[in-house]
Amino acid sequence: GAGVSQTPSNKVTEKGKYVELRCDPISGHTALYWYRQSLGQGPEFLIYFQGTGAADDSGLPNDRFFAVRPEGSVSTLKIQRTERGDSAVYLCASSSAGGMNTEAFFGQGTRLTVV
Amino acid sequence: KQEVTQIPAALSVPEGENLVLNCSFTDSAIYNLQWFRQDPGKGLTSLLLIQSSQREQTSGRLNASLDKSSGRSTLYIAASQPGDSATYLCAVYGQAGTALIFGKGTTLSVSS
Repeated sequence: GAGVSQTPSNKVTEKGKYVELRCDPISGHTALYWYRQSLGQGPEFLIYFQGTGAADDSGLPNDRFFAVRPEGSVSTLKIQRTERGDSAVYLCASSSAGGMNTEAFFGQGTRLTVV
Repeated sequence: KQEVTQIPAALSVPEGENLVLNCSFTDSAIYNLQWFRQDPGKGLTSLLLIQSSQREQTSGRLNASLDKSSGRSTLYIAASQPGDSATYLCAVYGQAGTALIFGKGTTLSVSS
């Protein structure tokens, strides 16, 4: 695609429910990143994929958070037993190679609200 | 652990002024540095990427410089316009070379 696409743009869910957030990276980009941004803060790293594998998942806050990228393109961020503290904007980015000297492009984000 | 700080947190200027946004990072062993713009409720738009071997990059009215040894970068905006009003974020690739590490941003307001 022309840019990074994230769906849905907004998601409201009840505490304790399961949610999935989707990211379609730029076509051909092998690196994909998930970030979380709270109000007034910079984006906080969650997980990084190189191809199909998670190269770095050190930013996932706990085991309720999980992400997959089964075919090396679309990625899904999954949150189990959502809590009100999970409310934030979840951002996805992709780049052509990942790591050194590459430019990252971000999607518009998914605003998650847990009530 | 790499930490990125942006000063000031907020800035208000009248239209037409030239201005400088500052970014500092604690570990000079970075791979590259990227400046982004974020409009309210929107995602991030890449403005400039400075690779570790470069000292500056220019795009239109924007000029970004990088001094790795001192752990600093500046974003210079010439002849500011109301449309420049947004939050500007600085990010560096940390030691692992895998994830961008962000500052909290500078929120710029340009009045007409």
